[in-house]
Amino acid sequence: DAKTTQPTSMDCAEGRAANLPCNHSTISGNEYVYWYRQIHSQGPQYIIHGLKNNETNEMASLIITEDRKSSTLILPHATLRDTAVYYCIVRVVIPYSSASKIIFGSGTRLSIRP
Amino acid sequence: GAGVSQSPSNKVTEKGKDVELRCDPISGHTALYWYRQSLGQGLEFLIYFQGNSAPDKSGLPSDRFSAERTGGSVSTLTIQRTQQEDSAVYLCASSSRRGVGQGAGEQYFGPGTRLTVT
Repeated sequence: DAKTTQPTSMDCAEGRAANLPCNHSTISGNEYVYWYRQIHSQGPQYIIHGLKNNETNEMASLIITEDRKSSTLILPHATLRDTAVYYCIVRVVIPYSSASKIIFGSGTRLSIRP
Repeated sequence: GAGVSQSPSNKVTEKGKDVELRCDPISGHTALYWYRQSLGQGLEFLIYFQGNSAPDKSGLPSDRFSAERTGGSVSTLTIQRTQQEDSAVYLCASSSRRGVGQGAGEQYFGPGTRLTVT
């Protein structure tokens, strides 16, 4: 799996959009970009994933650059409960097959300030 | 439905003793993963089971660590002759077969077992 690079920490004001960047310059054509987050003392939680197109769900939006070498996770209206470590991962996904192992990096510690 | 469960939630053991950690994945999930997370650190992959295939053991740190998955469901992670550096939260996750557009590859994590070796 390709390696990702994320800032160690970020902060954002409550109610504002939190934009978390991730570089994955060695990503290959069949690798997806995944985002997970881990709130203190809990297991990681899936947020969103994408291949080429931008994606949006009830939690967040994922913007992937045209060359796919970087992406941004957007939390549109950050709340205090969004304080967590956010992990960006790239991995191969085989359709209709269980996924392979995830290699987690050190992630970005996002702090939401009131 | 029920999520991934792990037991015990906390385990304190003396150095040199063996411990067993249990994971119950989501029913029907064919893939099961073990990770560990030391205090303030990211997640470290340990082992991965996929259906009836041979497990991917590439993340196990030493031969004191082993895991099995019986009947394609419950898994047990065993640490023999525990050392203080084994102290960490051990996390289990499972995932299912899905099409690409249906959360494929999404892993559901359990709450973890906090292991403390004294």
